[in-house]
Amino acid sequence: NAGVTQTPKFQVLKTGQSMTLQCAQDMNHEYMSWYRQDPGMGLRLIHYSVGAGITDQGEVPNGYNVSRSTTEDFPLRLLSAAPSQTSVYFCASSEVMSGSEAFFGQGTRLTVV
Amino acid sequence: GQNIDQPTEMTATEGAIVQINCTYQTSGFNGLFWYQQHAGEAPTFLSYNVLDGLEEKGRFSSFLSRSKGYSYLLLKELQMKDSASYLCAVLLNNAGNMLTFGGGTRLMVKP
Repeated sequence: NAGVTQTPKFQVLKTGQSMTLQCAQDMNHEYMSWYRQDPGMGLRLIHYSVGAGITDQGEVPNGYNVSRSTTEDFPLRLLSAAPSQTSVYFCASSEVMSGSEAFFGQGTRLTVV
Repeated sequence: GQNIDQPTEMTATEGAIVQINCTYQTSGFNGLFWYQQHAGEAPTFLSYNVLDGLEEKGRFSSFLSRSKGYSYLLLKELQMKDSASYLCAVLLNNAGNMLTFGGGTRLMVKP
């Protein structure tokens, strides 16, 4: 029972490089989202999706792109990495029903130098 | 903007009871979640309150007062494994079940 799978777990990028953080879930959840977690600031929503083909911005979307071509996958793209994007990134999924718990992936620890 | 406040750190003794408070001022409210997060791991679901009152689940209970914008998580019979961060999160609206999180409370349980 895989749940939500994120890859990679660790990544170091140079300023200006681009990369894609992968997220896949096998629970047939319609809702998926990306958060970043910084010390003392809690989790902040970057982008979210309510179903295949539908995405929207969260609280801190600048510098990130997403797409949702299938129910299972929700990749997060960093267009031109900056040191301010050094963070731990979590992908989450949940059912459509209001108040359904979110299931989180194990996180990707990204360092931009 | 949204404002969710919880203490940064707490310390308690093994076997004791601890209460972690969360206050919120948000533009919408469709429920409040508590998550547990051990260091270096993903958050995991503990509780969800949408109506006023106390929800009990084993050693953990969660309380909500919507009129006061206040919730607490009560942990009884503390164990060493309860040392973790506890995240309070408000469900602002039903679209996508998107959550707004507080900064988290790091709980340290001492022998």
